[in-house]
Parts: sequence; C-alpha cells; structure tokens
Amino acid sequence: GENVEQHPSTLSVQEGDSAVIKCTYSDSASNYFPWYKQELGKGPQLIIDIRSNVGEKKDQRIAVTLNKTAKHFSLHITETQPEDSAVYFCASGGLGGGADGLTFGKGTHLIIQP
Amino acid sequence: NAGVTQTPKFRILKIGQSMTLQCTQDMNHNYMYWYRQDPGMGLKLIYYSVGAGITDKGEVPNGYNVSRSTTEDFPLRLELAAPSQTSVYFCASSYGGDRGSPLHFGNGTRLTVT
Repeated sequence: GENVEQHPSTLSVQEGDSAVIKCTYSDSASNYFPWYKQELGKGPQLIIDIRSNVGEKKDQRIAVTLNKTAKHFSLHITETQPEDSAVYFCASGGLGGGADGLTFGKGTHLIIQP
Repeated sequence: NAGVTQTPKFRILKIGQSMTLQCTQDMNHNYMYWYRQDPGMGLKLIYYSVGAGITDKGEVPNGYNVSRSTTEDFPLRLELAAPSQTSVYFCASSYGGDRGSPLHFGNGTRLTVT
C-alpha cells in the first residue's frame, strides 16, 4: 500500500520567516495531495490541496509544490505568523483507488517563535 | 451546517468496559471514516463506510466495531476496552470515495483506558 514520509517532525522558525515541510510518497498512482492543519484540541482542517496535473498551487501565504517524477510534494508558508503554530499533516490519495480515504504522514509540529 | 460532530469530547474507561463513540454529519456525505491518532504516529484508519449499510475494515480494526444504519451517523463501538486503545479518535466524512476527495474531520474524542 501507499507509504507517506513527512519531514521534519518539528520545525521552529522566527515569526516573519518562511517554513517548508516536505513529504514523499510511494504509490505512483497517487494523484491527490492535500495538506491539513491541526490546532490544539481540534480535528485536522484542509488548508490546501493539489492534483497531479498541476505543479504548484498558491493561496495567499501558503503554497504547495509537487514533483511527480521524484514523488515528493512540499508545503511552503511565507511571512509566518503566531497563528500558524500547529501540527501539519500531508496526505496522498488518488482517483481509481479504493474508498478507504487518504494515507497520512506522521505530522510536523510547526512552532513560530515571536 | 455543523459539519462533523463527535461526542463525547473526553472519556475515561476501565479495562474491560465498553462504550460507543458517536459521530454524525449534516453534509449528506456518503463516505465516512474513523481514525485514531497516537502521538507522533499520524492518523491510522480503523473503519470506513461508503454508504448506509456498508462498512469495511481499515488498517487497525481489531478491538472495534462499526455500524452505518443512516447516511448521517457512523458510531464506533469498543467492546472490551484495553490500555492500547488509549488514543484520540477522529471521525471524518467526504463527498467522494475515490481517495481524491477532501476529508472533513470532527474535533475528536480523547479516550483514556486505565
């Protein structure tokens, strides 16, 4: 089955700096790559996603890049703010697969230092 | 819309006790999922359902049971609680089952078995 590796497990950056979280996946049939943000005491919430027919997608300070050849995708957060502190999960899935949802990475705890 | 609602938020069980974790969604999604989240381990799929009356095992189903009598509700049953079932449980739903659809999560149930 699909395997998703996520790095780093913890990332501490100064407020205003950029943060990058990286994921690799194993199943070449995967073509849907969402990112979730989980705040303390809450469930994960979708913040951005990308499909394999697109190499990059941006939404304000957040961007995701995808390299299908290398099977990796990354989350980029620019001009980080205190409210960006959370755990971030990458995931992979794809059309034509089973109905068993997504495969998740183990998460990155992002800490924004004031 | 309330989205995905889980009850209770917290629960402490003694070894061998049983309980049902409730999950309901008001988005008319056909696909529903139960995950458990352990520290540093990401999200593991327990069971999923593609519609009323249909359920299937995920990655870690042992010790759990589910039912899906309506589109809205997807309860998770623990029959004989064990310390290994101490975890945070998340219910999720999605509109499509092709593994290319975003998941919508509830805010979780934190369960401790002592």
